[in-house]
Amino acid sequence: KAGVTQTPRYLIKTRGQQVTLSCSPISGHRSVSWYQQTPGQGLQFLFEYFSETQRNKGNFPGRFSGRQFSNSRSEMNVSTLELGDSALYLCASSLEFPETQYFGPGTRLLVL
Amino acid sequence: AQKVTQAQTEISVVEKEDVTLDCVYETRDTTYYLFWYKQPPSGELVFLIRRNSFDEQNEISGRYSWNFQKSTSSFNFTITASQVVDSAVYFCALSEAGRDDKIIFGKGTRLHILP
Repeated sequence: KAGVTQTPRYLIKTRGQQVTLSCSPISGHRSVSWYQQTPGQGLQFLFEYFSETQRNKGNFPGRFSGRQFSNSRSEMNVSTLELGDSALYLCASSLEFPETQYFGPGTRLLVL
Repeated sequence: AQKVTQAQTEISVVEKEDVTLDCVYETRDTTYYLFWYKQPPSGELVFLIRRNSFDEQNEISGRYSWNFQKSTSSFNFTITASQVVDSAVYFCALSEAGRDDKIIFGKGTRLHILP
């Protein structure tokens, strides 16, 4: 079974721009979660989607948003990028929460 | 409130030594799940183990073993006869079943296995 895939793997953007990251979960998994990882804050939960509905959101500003499609693929969007948004963004999928989450390789975003 | 503490920021041991990574958690729920993940330099988090709060049996998987003690709110991870390939950042995580639908991660322990 293919694992979680994330695209793109690397991104360089400038302040003020917006970015969209994509995540394809493991086949059959309906729950998709997003995390931000930085050296200072560690791994922080962004949001979780199940059957196209956002079920929970972490403590991030409204510039961070996401959605899930009917095939469980998910996207997250960050608008008006700030330098502090530079991070590794990880997507994880599971059959259901809190079943085990399996992570993708991440998208490394650099904001200049 | 949920909280996971990994007090050891960084550990270095010589290959073949045993090493234990500590994890202490806080939760008010009686039903919860604990996880360990490994993050090698490639960045991808690799699932190692999941434990629910009703199962205090220790687990062994090859050179890896886990000690879950509810009395001390700890879920420690031991690598026996460490190998260079074990070098990575290890994360302990907690989720409270039916609440908030999110997993809280500790800050991680960076493990260096020296040849």
